[in-house]
Amino acid sequence: DVKVTQSSRYLVKRTGEKVFLECVQDMDHENMFWYRQDPGLGLRLIYFSYDVKMKEKGDIPEGYSVSREKKERFSMILESASTNQTSMYLCASSPGDRDNQPQHFGDGTRLSIL
Amino acid sequence: AQSVTQPDIHITVSEGASLELRCNYSYGATPYLFWYVQSPGQGLQLLLKYFSGDTLVQGIKGFEAEFKRSQSSFNLRKPSVHWSDAAEYFCAVGPRAQKLVFGQGTRLTINP
Repeated sequence: DVKVTQSSRYLVKRTGEKVFLECVQDMDHENMFWYRQDPGLGLRLIYFSYDVKMKEKGDIPEGYSVSREKKERFSMILESASTNQTSMYLCASSPGDRDNQPQHFGDGTRLSIL
Repeated sequence: AQSVTQPDIHITVSEGASLELRCNYSYGATPYLFWYVQSPGQGLQLLLKYFSGDTLVQGIKGFEAEFKRSQSSFNLRKPSVHWSDAAEYFCAVGPRAQKLVFGQGTRLTINP
């Protein structure tokens, strides 16, 4: 089974702090994703990476940056956290060789910005 | 641009009753369609997927979904729900599996 591991289940940070969210997958997948999930809004794509050092903006990239230095790891950084970034963050991965391969999700990081 | 609507925010059914969760989408061609389930405190788990072929697809946990092109719908069904089916369900559509738009989700509550 595909394993997507997010480094923290819960995080509490203060406004203005720098926040690091880490995601690791063990299936040699080319594609990795960061989403945020908010009640009534479903999942919204923040960033997508299709290869090492490659990234594309999703629908809501403002306030976030990402890094993919190794194939298995996709990191997201909130340079200066704000209260409106309080949310559940989900990482996902998928193989890159076919269009129909589904995304596999981690268990999420619930981030609270005080 | 594609969009997806799950009209029901919250549904309550009795254990053993049948279930149908609605999903309507807007897309110019036949999209890739997915249903995911999210149990409390967990990530999303794939229930089933459709991209071509038979319009009735079977998934895990006894779920099925039917693609109806004329209605732009991909409704999820289960003939008899179990208490463990209580969760949030997400429909997702896109031109390929790597570029999906997710619905708002439907929260399912099961009455004993």
